[in-house]
Amino acid sequence: KNEVEQSPQNLTAQEEEFITINCSYSVGISALHWLQQHPGGGIVSLFMLSSGKKKHGRLIATINIQEKHSSLHITASHPRDSAVYICAVSDYGGSQGNLIFGKGTKLSVKP
Amino acid sequence: DGGITQSPKYLFRKEGQNVTLSCEQNLNHDAMYWYRQDPGQGLRLIYYSQIVNDFQKGDIAEGYSVSREKKESFPLTVTSAQKNPTAFYLCASSIVLLSIAFFGQGTRLTVV
Repeated sequence: KNEVEQSPQNLTAQEEEFITINCSYSVGISALHWLQQHPGGGIVSLFMLSSGKKKHGRLIATINIQEKHSSLHITASHPRDSAVYICAVSDYGGSQGNLIFGKGTKLSVKP
Repeated sequence: DGGITQSPKYLFRKEGQNVTLSCEQNLNHDAMYWYRQDPGQGLRLIYYSQIVNDFQKGDIAEGYSVSREKKESFPLTVTSAQKNPTAFYLCASSIVLLSIAFFGQGTRLTVV
């Protein structure tokens, strides 16, 4: 079952490019999370949102509840943005404590 | 500095041995989680705990055990019953269940 789908799977960009990563989900959710996983494996939570839009530095996350879709944008991308970006949802109908994760989008930003 | 510490970063064990992965947090978070990550797959929940002395099975709990004797600590034991234990294991914590989670750096377990 693929309740959370991310696209693209892999993305290569040139420095300064505007980047968009998409996430679609098929379940009712209470919140959507964007996470960043660096090559060493550690994960950092970027955003948690349930409506509208959030911005933090060069990162912007949007969500459309009706369309069950979220996007993560990176403006003026930089090689240090290279990481795997993971979308996860808190599922209303799922077991408590469970986030449903997408498989991630591997981003590589070239100088 | 507050955070989550997982140790060790890399762990090798022989098949048939139990192994315990450590997870400690000093964030004063009530909820803690263990996830497993395999190549090409999303993270999957093994166990979670909302409060001391209480924990719940996740989607893939078979072959694993946990304890939550202290708020700060949530160790995971990979038992010999786990059929495919080689994986990357991530521990996380949050103030309350399913709020913004803080993750550890992970432990890569290889069973030979």
